[in-house]
Amino acid sequence: AQSVTQLGSHVSVSEGALVLLRCNYSSSVPPYLFWYVQYPNQGLQLLLKYTTGATLVKGINGFEAEFKKSETSFHLTKPSAHMSDAAEYFCAVSDPGSGYSTLTFGKGTMLLVSP
Amino acid sequence: KAGVTQTPRYLIKTRGQQVTLSCSPISGHRSVSWYQQTPGQGLQFLFEYFSETQRNKGNFPGRFSGRQFSNSRSEMNVSTLELGDSALYLCASRHTSGGAITTDTQYFGPGTRLTVL
Repeated sequence: AQSVTQLGSHVSVSEGALVLLRCNYSSSVPPYLFWYVQYPNQGLQLLLKYTTGATLVKGINGFEAEFKKSETSFHLTKPSAHMSDAAEYFCAVSDPGSGYSTLTFGKGTMLLVSP
Repeated sequence: KAGVTQTPRYLIKTRGQQVTLSCSPISGHRSVSWYQQTPGQGLQFLFEYFSETQRNKGNFPGRFSGRQFSNSRSEMNVSTLELGDSALYLCASRHTSGGAITTDTQYFGPGTRLTVL
């Protein structure tokens, strides 16, 4: 079975500071990996995904993530935080057993951005 | 293109009742998945439907069921509601040809917040 671990249920940064949200996964086969963001009272919005190919993936709103197979990690970064980035972020892995059509999510990390 | 829509957005029910939630996928999307989000358990996969057939199922009791119609709209039903069923229920759709493996992205709706009293 696959699992996803997100280190830190809450991360606080100052506006303009580097954002680093950590995600580690366990999977017996190469997975597909995703980062989603959820704003209050809204659904999930895809930030970026890794399926195959280049391990550094660029997403929307200036976010990027790097797939490191040796570390089983897929950390999310953004060079400079904006107030509008305050939200909950979820890392997810897709299940090869289902043809990569189901998602297993981490518990989420709430990003707090202070002025 | 309109996004995934879910109705109703909010529901209040009492224990023992049953409830039906509706999801309309993005036009052209044939796969619909349902997820439950709670503070304790996080986001958990319920089931996926493709071409009116359940293709995958998560680890939930039989009280949770779903179906998909020929226009790809989907409904999920929860019978004999329990307090623990209070959650945000998210629907996601994807455009897939139905092949064994897909890289297509799942697009999520805003969810239906169910409160069981």
